[in-house]
Amino acid sequence: AQSVTQPDIHITVSEGASLELRCNYSYGATPYLFWYVQSPGQGLQLLLKYFSGDTLVQGIKGFEAEFKRSQSSFNLRKPSVHWSDAAEYFCAVGMNYGGSQGNLIFGKGTKLSVKP
Amino acid sequence: EPEVTQTPSHQVTQMGQEVILRCVPISNHLYFYWYRQILGQKVEFLVSFYNNEISEKSEIFDDQFSVERPDGSNFTLKIRSTKLEDSAMYFCASSVLLAGRNTIYFGEGSWLTVV
Repeated sequence: AQSVTQPDIHITVSEGASLELRCNYSYGATPYLFWYVQSPGQGLQLLLKYFSGDTLVQGIKGFEAEFKRSQSSFNLRKPSVHWSDAAEYFCAVGMNYGGSQGNLIFGKGTKLSVKP
Repeated sequence: EPEVTQTPSHQVTQMGQEVILRCVPISNHLYFYWYRQILGQKVEFLVSFYNNEISEKSEIFDDQFSVERPDGSNFTLKIRSTKLEDSAMYFCASSVLLAGRNTIYFGEGSWLTVV
């Protein structure tokens, strides 16, 4: 069965420091991969996505993620964190088959706190 | 930027009551979804809807749940007889399939509290 693992429940980084949030997936074929961010009381905002091609994808707010097939990973990175990045981050995998492909499988999320 | 809008943002209802959550998907999108997130848990897929019918649903989406696109713009989720365990954030989402690629955009969610 497909699954997504985000090993870190909570991460605290200092403002200006670099960030890497881990995501591992289990899926039989090449997945579609997404990172969403949820600020307190807000909805899910799409940060970036991977379908195929270049394994390093750029997203909004200065985030990037790298797909590594050999490690079944899609880690999210940012070189310099801002206080406004404090939120919960969700990795999700979508099925690579015809049809709606709307059944996204989400990880449990990683809560990011930013120290001044 | 177009967005998915949901109403109400928060609803409190008594157990056993019917609830309808409403959503306006992004205008040129053809696929519509409901997800839910129980407090402290994962975001879970409930149902997808395309061409006026359900295309996929999860085990969570039992007979108590139904979806409808009553007109050209709204997409609703109805819970017929709410239970305490239905308390959750419900997210509506929509997408358009382009070149076999499906990017799903979520609304801000509707908090449902069943008391």
